Amino acid sequence: RKEVEQDPGPFNVPEGATVAFNCTYSNSASQSFFWYRQDCRKEPKLLMSVYSSGNEDGRFTAQLNRASQYISLLIRDSKLSDSATYLCVVNIGYIDDMRFGAGTRLTVKP
Amino acid sequence: DAGVIQSPRHEVTEMGQEVTLRCKPISGHNSLFWYRQTMMRGLELLIYFNNNVPIDDSGMPEDRFSAKMPNASFSTLKIQPSEPRDSAVYFCASSPETDSAYNSPLHFGNGTRLTVT
Repeated sequence: RKEVEQDPGPFNVPEGATVAFNCTYSNSASQSFFWYRQDCRKEPKLLMSVYSSGNEDGRFTAQLNRASQYISLLIRDSKLSDSATYLCVVNIGYIDDMRFGAGTRLTVKP
Repeated sequence: DAGVIQSPRHEVTEMGQEVTLRCKPISGHNSLFWYRQTMMRGLELLIYFNNNVPIDDSGMPEDRFSAKMPNASFSTLKIQPSEPRDSAVYFCASSPETDSAYNSPLHFGNGTRLTVT
């Protein structure tokens, strides 16, 4: 089993749709979780951290399910500009050992 | 504040040549990471440093790869000799020290796109 797994997609959705991605992780001791966004030929950029109680930032909601060892990202009212690859990041083992999922590609169409 | 600075942005070299990638982390950040990204394998952690000390280099693919961090403001990733399969985008990232059980997020440089012919 991979340490961090994501559905690669692609997800093709119309503008205004709600879309959700999941990311599973293998290490039950993991403590730190993030979602990053990567545009084509650019570096990954932090989208949001994921907190135990779940958190929201505008149209984006992140949740953590420790029992099932997954995190999720929900995007409401999707915009064309949301088209990107979304990467989940989880610490594995050492606190600084941050591992990325393969990424989920999202395309929002008019 | 300047972000993570990597150089060069692009590198094209012939098989067998030595390649050196450079990274300047954000001032005050204590952890530095080298990642490699390809279409086939995604983002792979190669090595990371904490307070200039290599903590885990298990992701370094072969002895041809080496990384150093001589001081808090500079790190290099060297490939010698380079091979076509090393072609990828190499990212450097840094994060600040944390005394909690939770990580601070990573801040990435623009990456170095390496092509080995």
